[in-house]
Amino acid sequence: DTAVSQTPKYLVTQMGNDKSIKCEQNLGHDTMYWYKQDSKKFLKIMFSYNNKELIINETVPNRFSPKSPDKAHLNLHINSLELGDSAVYFCASSQKGTGKGAEAFFGQGTRLTVV
Amino acid sequence: AQSVAQPEDQVNVAEGNPLTVKCTYSVSGNPYLFWYVQYPNRGLQFLLKYITGDNLVKGSYGFEAEFNKSQTSFHLKKPSALVSDSALYFCAVRDMGTNAGKSTFGDGTTLTVKP
Repeated sequence: DTAVSQTPKYLVTQMGNDKSIKCEQNLGHDTMYWYKQDSKKFLKIMFSYNNKELIINETVPNRFSPKSPDKAHLNLHINSLELGDSAVYFCASSQKGTGKGAEAFFGQGTRLTVV
Repeated sequence: AQSVAQPEDQVNVAEGNPLTVKCTYSVSGNPYLFWYVQYPNRGLQFLLKYITGDNLVKGSYGFEAEFNKSQTSFHLKKPSALVSDSALYFCAVRDMGTNAGKSTFGDGTTLTVKP
């Protein structure tokens, strides 16, 4: 069974469109994350949720909106896509970080290409 | 604030030789430190972590890392490199004192092991 799964794996879309990426983890973890990896492979955190509550919200355009219907799911919706949004988006999960050095488990990534 | 530096974009070693991938960090409190590996078109995989205790940490695939508090370093090492170790390696740090559990990743080091 895949621990952290994201769909779709590839997403090609036109500028201005709205798209969503879904993520599910079956590890029973409390915390989920969205990371963005750019073309230079730099990895930056975007959002983190703990038990459906937003706890990290980095400087990300308002066009990006995460949603966590339950602690096993964290979806990412992107409005009005721009060329600069092209990147690989990774979902990850971990046990709650406070007081615990919990490593993250990553999904396989969603390669978003905006044309 | 917390930060991680991986001073080498690229490390090249011959198969069978020892390898070192360098990482230095900065946190205001005590650190949790992690190493992850990313193979092409894949998500990040956890290799090892330092939480507390023994400064020498052993992880997956024969990798180890040594926590050095005075030098604020956490270099990744392996006694004998394999061609299959060729990948992108990320060091990450998390401040133990933060509640949000946010990890900061270095920019990554590409390891190439030549036969």
